[in-house]
Amino acid sequence: EVQLVESGGGLVQTGGSLRLSCAASGFAFRNYAMHWLRQAPGKGLEWVSVISGGGDYTNYADSVTGRFSISRDNSKNTLFLQMNSLTAEDTALYYCAKGPTVTTDLPYFDYWGQGTLVTVSS
Amino acid sequence: DIQVTQSPSSVSASIGDRVTITCRASQDIRNWLAWYQLKPGKAPKLLIYAASSLQSGVPARFSGSGSGTDFTLTISSLQPEDFATYSCQQANSFPLTFGQGTKVEIK
Repeated sequence: EVQLVESGGGLVQTGGSLRLSCAASGFAFRNYAMHWLRQAPGKGLEWVSVISGGGDYTNYADSVTGRFSISRDNSKNTLFLQMNSLTAEDTALYYCAKGPTVTTDLPYFDYWGQGTLVTVSS
Repeated sequence: DIQVTQSPSSVSASIGDRVTITCRASQDIRNWLAWYQLKPGKAPKLLIYAASSLQSGVPARFSGSGSGTDFTLTISSLQPEDFATYSCQQANSFPLTFGQGTKVEIK
């Protein structure tokens, strides 16, 4: 059974940093692209970032480029999102999600975690 | 960026009703569209990909159609477990973008 479990969320001050983790199990982690998405209170879903299975390709939403960094440790089946220079607009429930292939050629999300909440406050 | 406009924002329906939700993309995305079901406290669920392909394990009462800029999700006979929010996503190009969501409520 595919399982994705996010952690690392919490309350942080404006300008602060957080590192989110996503522990994966039930599938060959290195063989699939992985994504981060978020949903701010009362808003729709927003795609944040993607990393290919081998970690050699990444892409980011304009809203986080230069502040967020996605990475993965295939030996530990774990996905990360380093978030710096956080603002109130980054307050959201953050999800990790699995892509259906090793590359980003099919950018759908076939399994999701339940999310970890990030709150940015002054 | 490709904008995705979803309608309606909410719909009230009864068990057994047929429910239709639409998404319109701001440019031609061929069949690069997916539909997801969201419930509070649960992991979102992929229902439909490539506009009309049913994800494994998803009941056949869910169907998708459309191509180009106009797409539809249909629930043929609404069941109690279907009361949720539904969101479409364009997968044609990065940045990937979503519609604002449609909440299906009990009438």
